[in-house]
Amino acid sequence: GENVEQHPSTLSVQEGDSAVIKCTYSDSASNYFPWYKQELGKRPQLIIDIRSNVGEKKDQRIAVTLNKTAKHFSLHITETQPEDSAVYFCAASKQAGTALIFGKGTTLSVSS
Amino acid sequence: GAVVSQHPSRVICKSGTSVKIECRSLDFQATTMFWYRQFPKKSLMLMATSNEGSKATYEQGVEKDKFLINHASLTLSTLTVTSAHPEDSSFYICSARDRQPNEKLFFGSGTQLSVL
Repeated sequence: GENVEQHPSTLSVQEGDSAVIKCTYSDSASNYFPWYKQELGKRPQLIIDIRSNVGEKKDQRIAVTLNKTAKHFSLHITETQPEDSAVYFCAASKQAGTALIFGKGTTLSVSS
Repeated sequence: GAVVSQHPSRVICKSGTSVKIECRSLDFQATTMFWYRQFPKKSLMLMATSNEGSKATYEQGVEKDKFLINHASLTLSTLTVTSAHPEDSSFYICSARDRQPNEKLFFGSGTQLSVL
């Protein structure tokens, strides 16, 4: 089955800096890659997603890149703010709407 | 976006009792729902896939007799933790996808189960 690896497990940045979180997946049949932000005790919130027919997608300060050949995808957050502090999860599935397999999460801390 | 409601948000029970968690899609019909379990500061682990009108598909290592899943309608799936023990204490969260092919999964708000 699918296995998703995520790095780093923790990331501390200064406000205004950029943050990058990387994930790799094992199943070449996976073609949908969402990123979720989860605050303590809350549900995961989708922040951005990408399909395998696209190499990059951007939404304001957030961008995701995908390298299908290497089977890795990354989340980029620019101009970080303290409210960006949370746990971020990458995930993969064989098609949008099917079960997601999650990475282990990255705890992002943005200090002002 | 679509709304998935999950209840209760928190439950404390004695060891040996059973606990039922409900997951409802409020404004769409969900043919498939997924149940995840999350330990503190850990990732979401897929437990089972719940299909309306048929038996749930459990992931390897998840006891189907321990975690009973029922998906009786297009808007409701339930997870019952039977004969709960302290090791079952965890954050349980459901997610649902629309009946029509939909790009995104929607998550419930989660249930924090504490077994004494």
